[in-house]
Amino acid sequence: NAGVTQTPKFQVLKTGQSMTLQCAQDMNHEYMSWYRQDPGMGLRLIHYSVGAGITDQGEVPNGYNVSRSTTEDFPLRLLSAAPSQTSVYFCASADPVREKLFFGSGTQLSVL
Amino acid sequence: EDQVTQSPEALRLQEGESSSLNCSYTVSGLRGLFWYRQDPGKGPEFLFTLYSAGEEKEKERLKATLTKKESFLHITAPKPEDSATYLCAVQYASGGSYIPTFGRGTSLIVHP
Repeated sequence: NAGVTQTPKFQVLKTGQSMTLQCAQDMNHEYMSWYRQDPGMGLRLIHYSVGAGITDQGEVPNGYNVSRSTTEDFPLRLLSAAPSQTSVYFCASADPVREKLFFGSGTQLSVL
Repeated sequence: EDQVTQSPEALRLQEGESSSLNCSYTVSGLRGLFWYRQDPGKGPEFLFTLYSAGEEKEKERLKATLTKKESFLHITAPKPEDSATYLCAVQYASGGSYIPTFGRGTSLIVHP
């Protein structure tokens, strides 16, 4: 059972470049979410989804897009990367009653 | 103003020196309070869920307790392998959605 899988693990971008962070889970969880973690700031919610075709914004959504075409996948898109988006990104899914989150291993992104 | 405040930010203990981490919250309509452990370079890993004041949960050297305003994570006779960042999250009901809010974490180092 792989759980939540994130790719890539590391990425370096130049300002203005675009990219997609991949997230897949094999637990058939309806709820999935993206967080960013910055030193001293804790985990902040970017976007979340309560099921295929349904997404909503979290605390810090600007500069990020998401879509949810399947239960398994929840990609995060950076359309035009900015240095302020340098961070560690975590994808998480939650069990059916959302009592606990299962996190991926994270993507460390640097935007130069 | 943070809805979830963890203290201290960092804690250094000697092996065997028991202590407690604090998580205070200001949200109303608490659905549940969660503790996670995060090791360097990894995603957070679930430890406990607490739902009501007076509830306690234990796992090895860790015990989590909950009051109406705060939660404590007690660490009894810690070992170096307990070194990690401990995150607290509060889940509340808002418009029918359940979205956890994380504190900034307590970084624990246990010296041998």
